[in-house]
Amino acid sequence: AQSVTQLGSHVSVSEGALVLLRCNYSSSVPPYLFWYVQYPNQGLQLLLKYTTGATLVKGINGFEAEFKKSETSFHLTKPSAHMSDAAEYFCAVSPIYNFNKFYFGSGTKLNVKP
Amino acid sequence: DGGITQSPKYLFRKEGQNVTLSCEQNLNHDAMYWYRQDPGQGLRLIYYSQIVNDFQKGDIAEGYSVSREKKESFPLTVTSAQKNPTAFYLCASSVPGQISNQPQHFGDGTRLSIL
Repeated sequence: AQSVTQLGSHVSVSEGALVLLRCNYSSSVPPYLFWYVQYPNQGLQLLLKYTTGATLVKGINGFEAEFKKSETSFHLTKPSAHMSDAAEYFCAVSPIYNFNKFYFGSGTKLNVKP
Repeated sequence: DGGITQSPKYLFRKEGQNVTLSCEQNLNHDAMYWYRQDPGQGLRLIYYSQIVNDFQKGDIAEGYSVSREKKESFPLTVTSAQKNPTAFYLCASSVPGQISNQPQHFGDGTRLSIL
């Protein structure tokens, strides 16, 4: 079965600092990969996705992620954190053979300190 | 604007009662999904449907039921058999389910609590 691991349930950074949220997946065949953001009492909003092609993908709000097959990772980064980035972030994978059934990580709550 | 509408936003259930959560989408998506979200556990799949009049159990289907009579609608019933229904429920949809590289789009959720 597919699994997704997000290292660190809570991450705290200062405003202006680098944001790094980690995601690793378990699969012998690289799946499709997604990052979502969730604000309190709201649904999930797509930040970015990797399907094929360039391994560094850019998303909304200045976020980007790099797919590293050898490390089975898809870490999310942002060079400079903003107060509005405080939210919960979810990594998700969709196995290429499995008809768009997603598997989600347990989430990482990002706190941004002034 | 196209999107997914979940209602109500807050719902309270009495012991022994069935309640139904509504999910409507106007994105013309074939596939629809129901997830349950509990703190620290991410999203767990309850049911999903790839096409009208067909649906499949997800990882935690016990105590829940669904129907898919129309492409736009995928209601979820939380039955009295679900002993711990307190959670945040999210509905999602996506472009034809055979294409795994498409993102899922989410509604704003329904928070269910026990009275």
